[in-house]
Amino acid sequence: EDQVTQSPEALRLQEGESSSLNCSYTVSGLRGLFWYRQDPGKGPEFLFTLYSAGEEKEKERLKATLTKKESFLHITAPKPEDSATYLCAVRWNTGNQFYFGTGTSLTVIP
Amino acid sequence: EAQVTQNPRYLITVTGKKLTVTCSQNMNHEYMSWYRQDPGLGLRQIYYSMNVEVTDKGDVPEGYKVSRKEKRNFPLILESPSPNQTSLYFCASSPDRSVGGYTFGSGTRLTVV
Repeated sequence: EDQVTQSPEALRLQEGESSSLNCSYTVSGLRGLFWYRQDPGKGPEFLFTLYSAGEEKEKERLKATLTKKESFLHITAPKPEDSATYLCAVRWNTGNQFYFGTGTSLTVIP
Repeated sequence: EAQVTQNPRYLITVTGKKLTVTCSQNMNHEYMSWYRQDPGLGLRQIYYSMNVEVTDKGDVPEGYKVSRKEKRNFPLILESPSPNQTSLYFCASSPDRSVGGYTFGSGTRLTVV
């Protein structure tokens, strides 16, 4: 049973066309939710940590939000350099493990 | 520069030949972890370590061993590699296990033939 689900699997946007990526989780007792960016052939790069519903974090054109069952990564006026795979991960209150979703592959077309 | 260094970047080996993938971090992080990344399956945790001499299994530990004798190093050992361990491996570290803001290494692409 998947505990972390990301959608869509792939997303193509025109430069400047804002959109949102989704990360939903099925288990209660969230300790933290994390967003990463991964470029081809590289390790994931940490973007944000969210701990509680209602929390928001921003970095340049990216804004992450968290509700009780899902998180959104909003991309405002994306540029081609925002093209990457975006991963979310969760950690529950019980245990020390992190669980990653399978990611959303974002392509921004000039 | 703060970083996690993995070696080698690429490795092709034969079934059954023991190998070690090294991982070293220079940030004095307590928490270190190994992941494998496979198409359609995402990143799956193999082992993690909360501090020196403290290690625990992740989701997919079978066929792997780890050790944490020093804070900076966390090698991944495949005693008898098999083709189903062909994958992209990442080492990661974090200052605290509750933070989750990992710094990842550049990855090791392993092929077992």
